[in-house]
Amino acid sequence: EVQLVESGGGLVKPGGSLRLSCAASGFTFSNAWMSWVRQAPGKGLEWVGRIKSKTDGGTTDYAAPVKGRFTISRDDSKNTLYLQMNSLKTEDTAVYYCTTELGYCSSTSCYWGPPDYWGQGTLVTVSS
Amino acid sequence: SYELTQPPSVSVSPGQTARITCSGDALPKKYAYWYQQKSGQAPVLVIYEDSKRPSGIPERFSGSSSGTMATLTISGAQVEDEADYYCYSTDSSGNHRGVFGGGTKLTVL
Repeated sequence: EVQLVESGGGLVKPGGSLRLSCAASGFTFSNAWMSWVRQAPGKGLEWVGRIKSKTDGGTTDYAAPVKGRFTISRDDSKNTLYLQMNSLKTEDTAVYYCTTELGYCSSTSCYWGPPDYWGQGTLVTVSS
Repeated sequence: SYELTQPPSVSVSPGQTARITCSGDALPKKYAYWYQQKSGQAPVLVIYEDSKRPSGIPERFSGSSSGTMATLTISGAQVEDEADYYCYSTDSSGNHRGVFGGGTKLTVL
């Protein structure tokens, strides 16, 4: 059974930093593309960014609102995904979900699939 | 930045057909995916690659796409289908960033 368990959320002041972790189990983590999706209170879903598997280059992509402030990384030896969030703003307040992403690359092209399995999320509150 | 547009709300009576639309300029070249999110829960994928249904999703859920619009259809909607529904796709940039629609609240009563 696939399990994704986020941790590290909490209250932080504007301009501060926070690192979220996502412990994965039940699948071959090193082969998986992973992503973060957030949801502000009472609002819709917002894709934050992804990291490809190392086999597919291990590169990252980010949504415009977080690019340059957030960094996604992975430790395949620990089956763990990370989201480092710097220069936090009040509008970053949200539940942050860790997800698998159904993407892969062949020798000729890549398939950018959707978020598939989701964790239960961790709440990040940015407030003074 | 790329946007997917959904109606904020759709309302049907039990047993009726609910249709939720999602419009986006890149949809003629990109797949649409649909999620169901019930209150307090994580989203669940109900349609992938425009019209395919994951295992375990009831047959009353179907999807289609034509031009710049994708549609989620729930035939014979049931009370338990009441939820928020989101479409998802990727943009046409070289990075294929993910994008969610704004979400549609489906009321079945």
